[in-house]
Amino acid sequence: AQSVTQLDSHVSVSEGTPVLLRCNYSSSYSPSLFWYVQHPNKGLQLLLKYTSAATLVKGINGFEAEFKKSETSFHLTKPSAHMSDAAEYFCVVSDMSRDDKIIFGKGTRLHILP
Amino acid sequence: NAGVTQTPKFQVLKTGQSMTLQCAQDMNHNSMYWYRQDPGMGLRLIYYSASEGTTDKGEVPNGYNVSRLNKREFSLRLESAAPSQTSVYFCASINDRVYNSPLHFGNGTRLTVT
Repeated sequence: AQSVTQLDSHVSVSEGTPVLLRCNYSSSYSPSLFWYVQHPNKGLQLLLKYTSAATLVKGINGFEAEFKKSETSFHLTKPSAHMSDAAEYFCVVSDMSRDDKIIFGKGTRLHILP
Repeated sequence: NAGVTQTPKFQVLKTGQSMTLQCAQDMNHNSMYWYRQDPGMGLRLIYYSASEGTTDKGEVPNGYNVSRLNKREFSLRLESAAPSQTSVYFCASINDRVYNSPLHFGNGTRLTVT
């Protein structure tokens, strides 16, 4: 069965510095991987998805994620944090070819320091 | 095109009362999901349905029942509400005919059980 672990429940960075949010997954098959963002009191928005066409995936708002099969990781990065990036981020794994379960990580809350 | 519609948006129940959360999608998606979101726990899958007439347990099914009577609608029922079921509930659907299709979420139902 697939599972996903977000290694940090909270991350704090200063505005203008890089962001790294870590995600490791477990899947018996080739997984589909996603990052979603949820701003305070808002719904969930898709940031990016891994399509297997490229290991480095570009998303919205300057975010990227790199798929590393050997490390079973899909870490989310951004070169320069902005105050508007303060939100909760969820790593998501699924394997629709095997079953239809879509599993979320517990989330990482990103704090941006002025 | 309304996407995924959830009702109600807010609900307060007393312990032991029952209620049904409604969800409908107009995108002709096969797969639908119910999640609950609690602080520090991310979104946890309650039940999902890969197609009309089929349902499967997710990570936290106890205390809930679901019904997928047709392709559009997927309801979640609490037969005897407990304070531990206080949460925000999200319904979602996915186009499983498209590889790596993202989830489409409803706006959520905030449920309080006293």
